[in-house]
Amino acid sequence: AQTVTQSQPEMSVQEAETVTLSCTYDTSESNYYLFWYKQPPSRQMILVIRQEAYKQQNATENRFSVNFQKAAKSFSLKISDSQLGDTAMYFCAFMAHAGGTSYGKLTFGQGTILTVHP
Amino acid sequence: DTEVTQTPKHLVMGMTNKKSLKCEQHMGHRAMYWYKQKAKKPPELMFVYSYEKLSINESVPSRFSPECPNSSLLNLHLHALQPEDSALYLCASSQDPAGPGGNEQFFGPGTRLTVL
Repeated sequence: AQTVTQSQPEMSVQEAETVTLSCTYDTSESNYYLFWYKQPPSRQMILVIRQEAYKQQNATENRFSVNFQKAAKSFSLKISDSQLGDTAMYFCAFMAHAGGTSYGKLTFGQGTILTVHP
Repeated sequence: DTEVTQTPKHLVMGMTNKKSLKCEQHMGHRAMYWYKQKAKKPPELMFVYSYEKLSINESVPSRFSPECPNSSLLNLHLHALQPEDSALYLCASSQDPAGPGGNEQFFGPGTRLTVL
């Protein structure tokens, strides 16, 4: 079974600054996907960024980038130039690759509440 | 259309009531999911349908009964619920589950359920 750990229950950042959210995971799968999802207050969950474990290059999406350390099983999210609209709960999630024992199941971390202050 | 819709937005029901939650997507996705989410907690997977067949049931109590009438529609029938079942119920969908994998799950806005 997979586990995903987010060690920061809450974080805050000033607008325009950079913040990094931590995530570690544990798995015996050899190939898998990692995700960061964002859930703003009273709004629906959306995908922020996705990383395929077999790709060494870190994924980036505009102001969002990850630092994927496969050997350390670490997958942190960096948000640059933070905006008020980034205020949300952020979930790190794991999914085994097709053929894996738990393919199709997203395993979520406990989440990090991020507040961006003006 | 890249949207998953859920109805109703809010539902209040008594422990003896029978009600249903509805989820719809028109993205041609072949996998659909039900999650339960308590406040400030991650979503917990309940059921997965793949090509309209139930593929995963996470040992959910029988008072929750899923149904997938067609590839675009997913229902969750509720009967004899308990107050601790009060939560946000999220529906999600993703592309071909037998595909390369890592498919993004698109989430609906959820139904906020209160059981009195």
